[in-house]
Amino acid sequence: QQQVKQSPQSLIVQKGGISIINCAYENTAFDYFPWYQQFPGKGPALLIAIRPDVSEKKEGRFTISFNKSAKQFSLHIMDSQPGDSATYFCAARSNDMRFGAGTRLTVKP
Amino acid sequence: KAGVTQTPRYLIKTRGQQVTLSCSPISGHRSVSWYQQTPGQGLQFLFEYFSETQRNKGNFPGRFSGRQFSNSRSEMNVSTLELGDSALYLCASRRSYGLEGYTFGSGTRLTVV
Repeated sequence: QQQVKQSPQSLIVQKGGISIINCAYENTAFDYFPWYQQFPGKGPALLIAIRPDVSEKKEGRFTISFNKSAKQFSLHIMDSQPGDSATYFCAARSNDMRFGAGTRLTVKP
Repeated sequence: KAGVTQTPRYLIKTRGQQVTLSCSPISGHRSVSWYQQTPGQGLQFLFEYFSETQRNKGNFPGRFSGRQFSNSRSEMNVSTLELGDSALYLCASRRSYGLEGYTFGSGTRLTVV
């Protein structure tokens, strides 16, 4: 039932580095692509989202890059901080929301 | 404003029993979705309710069911529990069906022994 493929499964980055998480999808009916951040013991929280008519969206240190022809999108976290250590999920929506398998990000001080 | 509230937070049940989980959406949100989260499968869509009607359903057996009340609160029920049903069950709400902006609750951790 995994309609959105996410990689890598886990990622370790040094403080100040760039974290990059990638997702790919097949269903061209998807029209909204959010990223969620989840801390242990909490539900996922919306971080940033993009529509397919835009190739890039930036909010602070977080940027989504979207490639409609390749059916891929990615999350870039600039100047990664230890507080960014969490699990990140990409998602894609048609009628309901489908999630990637998640990436556990660890930012080392 | 209050977020999405799920009760209970933790639950331990025995195989073969049934369980009911509750979700109160954000005030004004009329759409409620349920997800199952496990380490191996990630977030799997169960179903979405809007205006007391099930709008979409994921690929789960009929043992998983839900409903929504007129005040938008939702419950999901799992009958004849199996060990593999152990998971974090997440509820998410949004203003209306088809609109973006899911807000998740903190989930109910179900353990089946």
